[in-house]
Formats: sequence, structure tokens, C-alpha cells
Amino acid sequence: DQQVKQNSPSLSVQEGRISILNCDYTNSMFDYFLWYKKYPAEGPTFLISISSIKDKNEDGRFTVFLNKSAKHLSLHIVPSQPGDSAVYFCAASASYGNNRLAFGKGNQVVVIP
Amino acid sequence: EAGVAQSPRYKIIEKRQSVAFWCNPISGHATLYWYQQILGQGPKLLIQFQNNGVVDDSQLPKDRFSAERLKGVDSTLKIQPAKLEDSAVYLCASSLWTGGRDTQYFGPGTRLTVL
Repeated sequence: DQQVKQNSPSLSVQEGRISILNCDYTNSMFDYFLWYKKYPAEGPTFLISISSIKDKNEDGRFTVFLNKSAKHLSLHIVPSQPGDSAVYFCAASASYGNNRLAFGKGNQVVVIP
Repeated sequence: EAGVAQSPRYKIIEKRQSVAFWCNPISGHATLYWYQQILGQGPKLLIQFQNNGVVDDSQLPKDRFSAERLKGVDSTLKIQPAKLEDSAVYLCASSLWTGGRDTQYFGPGTRLTVL
């Protein structure tokens, strides 16, 4: 049962433009959401997070938006850079869950110079 | 600060053989996680330790998988006997234990191929 869903497995975007990644979740107990970035042959690296008490969190070029009523979050990367080419995983956890993360399948982003 | 170390990086075995993976977490991190990532999927938690105690092993196939963290630092994950469907990347992660939202730091993973 996939509790965190990432559709559109791949995205190509021109350098300097905006990349938008979407994530949907089904478990209403999730109250903390994260994005991880993964390069080939490396482990995932934490990128940005958001608590359910917020609807937006920004860190430099990365912004995560949360729509609790729709059980939907998105990651915006502006402007996109070639080094952003990677797989991005959406993850979620619940307060009761011992910090256990449920991951989506990932989105491949390719930034074209 | 050194990151999470894992070895080996790659392993190829025949089905029904045994295999073990090793993980050394970031110094001072009380919590250690083992994840399985099958190709095309996101990581799935197998087991979570806090110090040397098991916090969550609900998704660990206990008939063939085992893990230990005897001294609350390094950990090993074992598969015995391996099946074809065990082919995956096995990721180790660690985090502090503050009682709140602790960032998990991942190692590079061990890619297992079962033939």
C-alpha cells in the first residue's frame, strides 16, 4: 500500500526555469514531510522539510508547499541548475511513528544547460 | 564530520546463499535504520534501532533477515538464505535522538544482486 505517491516519474527542465515536483499522501496521520535528493551511487540527502502546522517553507532556491486538505505537497526549485539533476524523493512521517519515514517512488529531474 | 559508512558497496550472490552488510553510523547518533530500496521504488524501512534496542522491525522479513547492533554503534544486516526478490540497494541511515523530528542521514548503500 503506497502511502506516499509521486506521479510523473521524470521531468526535464531548462536551466534557469522552475522545476515543480508533486507528491500526494493518503495517511491523514502524517504530520511531517520531507524531500530528499539522490545522486547515482549515493544515498539520499535531506533537502527540505515542512511541518503540518505550516503551508510553506523556503530555503534558498527550494520551496515546499503543503495543502493538507488535498493531502498534497509540492517542491519548487527556482532557478533550476544543472547540479539539481537527480532523483527527488518525497517522504512523510507521523508523530506516533518513531520517526519512521514513508517514501514515494521518486522523480527523476534532468536540468538541461 | 564523517558520514554514514557502509560496506561492501556491491555484492553478487547466488540464491540460497547468505550475505551480510555492515554499517557505521555518524558518531553520536543513537538511532540507526536499515532500508531496502528495490529498483524503481522508494526506500522501505526494514528495522530501526535506538542504541542497541530494536524500536521497529515490523517490516523486516524475519524468516530470512536479521540485524543486530550489539554495542549501540555499528550494525550488521544479514540475509539467509537470499531470494531473487532480495536484489536491491540496502541503505543504512542514522539520526540523533532528540524525541522530535530528527534528520536521517544516509550512507551510500550496498547494491545486492541475487542470481
